Amino acid sequence: AQTVTQSQPEMSVQEAETVTLSCTYDTSESDYYLFWYKQPPSRQMILVIRQEAYKQQNATENRFSVNFQKAAKSFSLKISDSQLGDAAMYFCAYRRGSGGSNYKLTFGKGTLLTVNP
Amino acid sequence: DTAVSQTPKYLVTQMGNDKSIKCEQNLGHDTMYWYKQDSKKFLKIMFSYNNKELIINETVPNRFSPKSPDKAHLNLHINSLELGDSAVYFCASSQPLRRGETQYFGPGTRLLVL
Repeated sequence: AQTVTQSQPEMSVQEAETVTLSCTYDTSESDYYLFWYKQPPSRQMILVIRQEAYKQQNATENRFSVNFQKAAKSFSLKISDSQLGDAAMYFCAYRRGSGGSNYKLTFGKGTLLTVNP
Repeated sequence: DTAVSQTPKYLVTQMGNDKSIKCEQNLGHDTMYWYKQDSKKFLKIMFSYNNKELIINETVPNRFSPKSPDKAHLNLHINSLELGDSAVYFCASSQPLRRGETQYFGPGTRLLVL
């Protein structure tokens, strides 16, 4: 079974600075997707960024980028120029790629990010 | 335009009652999901339906029964509610065979069992 581990229950960053959230995963599959979701106090789950395992290039979305190390099974999220609105719980998630019909997301336990003004 | 909607957003009820949570998506997706987020914020899959057919049932108690009248709707009925059922329940939908697909989540339903 796939597992996702987020080793940092809480992180804090100063506004305008950069922070990196860690995520590791375990899988025997070669085709899969990795996601970072953000959950602000409103509790809405918002997709931040997505990475396909077959793509070597790291995904980037504006101030958000990932460091995807497939051999190490590591998928960290870097937030640059942190803003107060980035404060939220961040979840790393795994989904198998293809084959079969089980496309559930497996989540890590989350990292609570605080942004200090 | 709400992509995935859930009703109600809040539900407070007594132990032993039966309640339902409704979910609708207007994205044209074939697959819908129910996730449970516990008090420690841990999110876990409960059920998944593809074109009205149950494809995932993650050892959820029989008191929980999903129902999909059509592929745009996936409702969750809970019988004989227990204190431990208190949680936030999220509905989601996706088109999994589309390369790069994303699961879109509803706003969640906070259930409190007293």
